[in-house]
Amino acid sequence: SQELEQSPQSLIVQEGKNLTINCTSSKTLYGLYWYKQKYGEGLIFLMMLQKGGEEKSHEKITAKLDEKKQQSSLHITASQPSHAGIYLCGALLGGANSKLTFGKGITLSVRP
Amino acid sequence: EPEVTQTPSHQVTQMGQEVILRCVPISNHLYFYWYRQILGQKVEFLVSFYNNEISEKSEIFDDQFSVERPDGSNFTLKIRSTKLEDSAMYFCASRARGELFFGEGSRLTVL
Repeated sequence: SQELEQSPQSLIVQEGKNLTINCTSSKTLYGLYWYKQKYGEGLIFLMMLQKGGEEKSHEKITAKLDEKKQQSSLHITASQPSHAGIYLCGALLGGANSKLTFGKGITLSVRP
Repeated sequence: EPEVTQTPSHQVTQMGQEVILRCVPISNHLYFYWYRQILGQKVEFLVSFYNNEISEKSEIFDDQFSVERPDGSNFTLKIRSTKLEDSAMYFCASRARGELFFGEGSRLTVL
């Protein structure tokens, strides 16, 4: 089984709708990172969460960390076509200075 | 805004040839990483580098791979004898204490 499970695998939403995607770890989280990627391109850093209950926002994107559930959610408010892409979560599973382990990613499409 | 830069952006090579991928991490960062992503698949960890030595490496990072920080600014990944299955996007990343930033990647195509 995967150490990091992302759900759903893919998502299609109408422009203007809100959406939430999740990242669940089978191990203790020492840090959780969210990135956005266009297919075949680089990883764009979105947010990093380190403490249980931490919540961060940037523009219309909000990420939360539930340490007890070993889970993070990413919420997009009023989605736009520019939000389309692959959302990757990466986690520090071996300690605060360990490598980042990635999930498979969630493909988000936004219909105009 | 500081960024991680990688060169070349794309390299095509023949099987068996040596390849060197270069990275310039963000200047005050202490931890450096190489990851790879085969098209359509997960981002996979290769190696981490701290204090001028390898701190962790994956099973993928076998004897054909090596890393160097030759001059205090560049961070290189060498593949000695490329195989077809080495075709992938290779990402360099650097971190100070928290945020981990990735470069745009070097696409390697092995023919």
